[in-house]
Amino acid sequence: EDQVTQSPEALRLQEGESSSLNCSYTVSGLRGLFWYRQDPGKGPEFLFTLYSAGEEKEKERLKATLTKKESFLHITAPKPEDSATYLCAVEAAGNKLTFGGGTRVLVKP
Amino acid sequence: SAVISQKPSRDICQRGTSLTIQCQVDSQVTMMFWYRQQPGQSLTLIATANQGSEATYESGFVIDKFPISRPNLTFSTLTVSNLSPEDSSIYLCSVGTDEQYFGPGTRLTVT
Repeated sequence: EDQVTQSPEALRLQEGESSSLNCSYTVSGLRGLFWYRQDPGKGPEFLFTLYSAGEEKEKERLKATLTKKESFLHITAPKPEDSATYLCAVEAAGNKLTFGGGTRVLVKP
Repeated sequence: SAVISQKPSRDICQRGTSLTIQCQVDSQVTMMFWYRQQPGQSLTLIATANQGSEATYESGFVIDKFPISRPNLTFSTLTVSNLSPEDSSIYLCSVGTDEQYFGPGTRLTVT
């Protein structure tokens, strides 16, 4: 059974204080690892898909990396508007996603 | 990217009744997915809906409780039947393959 574990569950940062979120996974035949941002009361917003170990993708202050067992989402010099829940998901077969529990990020000014 | 809308955005329903949720996409897609997000939890896949065939349900979800229709390549409905308070959740549809996009969700409260 595919499993995704995210840590920490919650993260409080000062504005400008860079940090990393972890997503560890076990899956038979990884087809892709997805990162999403979810704001309260809204659907998840697509950020990145990573396909193979060593791959990196960036978007503004966010950078996602992938190894064979885990992925990291690095937030560089975060701003209050980066406050959200960040979700990680893996795709094994049939385009079906298995999600982790998420990391709630709060960036204080 | 796909633009996805859902109706209703929220509803409060009585125990024992049913709610049908609509999902509309701005482009034709082969596969649509329905997810549930229980309060404070992450997303769990309910079923995959392909046009022209029966939906495929994940373990723990059954067709009698969550019937799905997929009449064309841009539209799907999910019905949550015989509602109980445990069904209070956000229900989301999604589409896509390499980039999977989600609708805004339908917040269901069962009283």
